[in-house]
Amino acid sequence: EVQLVESGGGLVTPGGSLRLSCAASEFTFSSYTMSWVRQAPGKGLEWVSSISIVGSFIYYADSVKGRFTISRDNAKNSLSLLMNSLRTNDTAIYYCARGYCRGGTCLTDYWGQGTLVTVSS
Amino acid sequence: SYVLTQPPSVSVAPGKTARIACGGNNIGSETVHWYQQKPGQAPVLVIYFDGDRPSGIPERFSGSKSGDTATLAISRVEAGDEADYYCQLWDSNSDHYVFGPGTKVTVL
Repeated sequence: EVQLVESGGGLVTPGGSLRLSCAASEFTFSSYTMSWVRQAPGKGLEWVSSISIVGSFIYYADSVKGRFTISRDNAKNSLSLLMNSLRTNDTAIYYCARGYCRGGTCLTDYWGQGTLVTVSS
Repeated sequence: SYVLTQPPSVSVAPGKTARIACGGNNIGSETVHWYQQKPGQAPVLVIYFDGDRPSGIPERFSGSKSGDTATLAISRVEAGDEADYYCQLWDSNSDHYVFGPGTKVTVL
């Protein structure tokens, strides 16, 4: 069974930084694109960022572009999200998700349980 | 950027069929995926590539498209189907995942 375990969430003040990690197991991590998707309290799903298999292609939502950096370490089966200049509206559960792309479309077929990031003074 | 629309809520009696619409510009030419999210849990993929079901998803879940609307249908609805449902597509113009706002399904 695919396992995705996020860590690194917590309370941070506005303008601060936080690094999230996702440990992947039970699948060949280096063969899949990976993404971060967030969900603010009581709100819907918002895609944050995606990274291709070897990191050649990286995409960000406009809301986080220039502030967040996604990266991966295929040797360690690990995905990261460095979040800088955090704002109160970045408060959300952040999910790590495995991606699958085919025929010009992409989807996320497995999700972790999420890690809560709270940005507050 | 591409925008998906969904009704905020759908109510259905047990044993009946729930239909959740997902609208978008020329969505008929896009490929749509659907997720179920129960309270306090991570989303689960229930339909991919418009109408395919991942292993473990009951046959009661089906997906279709017609015109500018994609539809997730849940037949013979059970209490355990109460959840939020999200449609999603990949916007190749912006290289972004796009999620719909979600529909809360309530079983009466």
